[in-house]
Formats: sequence, C-alpha cells, structure tokens
Amino acid sequence: SQKIEQNSEALNIQEGKTATLTCNYTNYSPAYLQWYRQDPGRGPVFLLLIRENEKEKRKERLKVTFDTTLKQSLFHITASQPADSATYLCALDAAGGSYIPTFGRGTSLIVHP
Amino acid sequence: EAGVAQSPRYKIIEKRQSVAFWCNPISGHATLYWYQQILGQGPKLLIQFQNNGVVDDSQLPKDRFSAERLKGVDSTLKIQPAKLEDSAVYLCASSLGGVEETQYFGPGTRLLVL
Repeated sequence: SQKIEQNSEALNIQEGKTATLTCNYTNYSPAYLQWYRQDPGRGPVFLLLIRENEKEKRKERLKVTFDTTLKQSLFHITASQPADSATYLCALDAAGGSYIPTFGRGTSLIVHP
Repeated sequence: EAGVAQSPRYKIIEKRQSVAFWCNPISGHATLYWYQQILGQGPKLLIQFQNNGVVDDSQLPKDRFSAERLKGVDSTLKIQPAKLEDSAVYLCASSLGGVEETQYFGPGTRLLVL
C-alpha cells in the first residue's frame, strides 16, 4: 500500500544550525512533492513545491531535495531560528496522476535559543 | 487578499448528535478541499470539489458524512450522527484549480465528540 513516512520524533536543534527533515515514500510515483508548515491551532501553510524532474529547489533559508530513486525528499532550514519551530508536513500527489494530495504525519521541529 | 474562512472554530457535541461546518474559500478559487486531521497525524483528504462538482470523495465516510458546495463557492461539511472517533480538526483548503496548485488552508474547526 502507499505510504508516506516522516519522523514522528521531534527534532531538537540549536539556533543557527541547519535543520534537516526527511520524507520517505513507498509505492508512489509522485509528479511533485510539497512541504508545508503547521503551527499549533492553525492550518498548514505552503512552503515549497518540487517536481519529479527537479533535484533541488531553494527559497531564502529553505532548501528541498527530491530523489526519486531513493523515494525521499529532504527539507533543510539553514541558520535556524526559534521562530522556525513548528510541524513540517510533506505532501505528494496520489499515485496515478490524479493530483489528489496525500500528507505525511509531519515532524515537529524545535529550535532552542 | 482574504484567506479561507471557517466556522465555527470550536464545537463540542455528544455522540450521535449532528454537526455542520462552513467554509468560505478564497475568491476565485475553483478547487475546495475538506480534510480531517486527527491529533498527531497529517491531514486526510475527505472530499475535493472542482467548482461545485466532486473530484474525489473516496475517503469520505458516506454513511455519516456529507458535503456540498452550492454555486461553486461556499461549502458545508456535515456529520450525522457523530461518533467519538470523529473528534479531530476539520480543515478546509482552496486552490486556483490547476495541477500542482498551492493549497491555502483555513484555521480549521476543532470538533470534540463526547
């Protein structure tokens, strides 16, 4: 069956370090992958989209990689700040190209001052 | 630009009661989504509308959940009757309607079924 895996354990890092979050998937052939940020009590907010033919995408302090061979995406936040503390969700379009998004459970990031 | 509006923000009901949630998407967005997010999990798509037609409702428990999008704008999601396991946050999102479209989420309705 199709599965999206994100580390359920919170990632704790020190301010200024680079945070790296992982999204693994099985039994998908996604056309694209998206990363969202979710703060407590709020809906997810879109951050970045990367297509299957792209290896890397950057936006300010954010970087996403997409390895379709490993079936993995890495999400990096450089020079992390306490304000980056949140849950980060990855989402893929459902197999078959129907473009119906499926979300992972998210990984909580805690940046300590 | 106004965001996606949802109401109510919180709802507490007894099991077997009925409840309805309302969503007003961003103006001009053709696609509207309803998600269920149980604590500690990612959002699960319940139903997706393109204008006022249903694109996908394969994960909607149709024996108790229903949704409609009249005139291709606002949408309501209803649960009748509610069960304890329906306790969750119900998120509404909208997008312009093409493929790869960014979704804009509302703040969600937090439902507690006692």
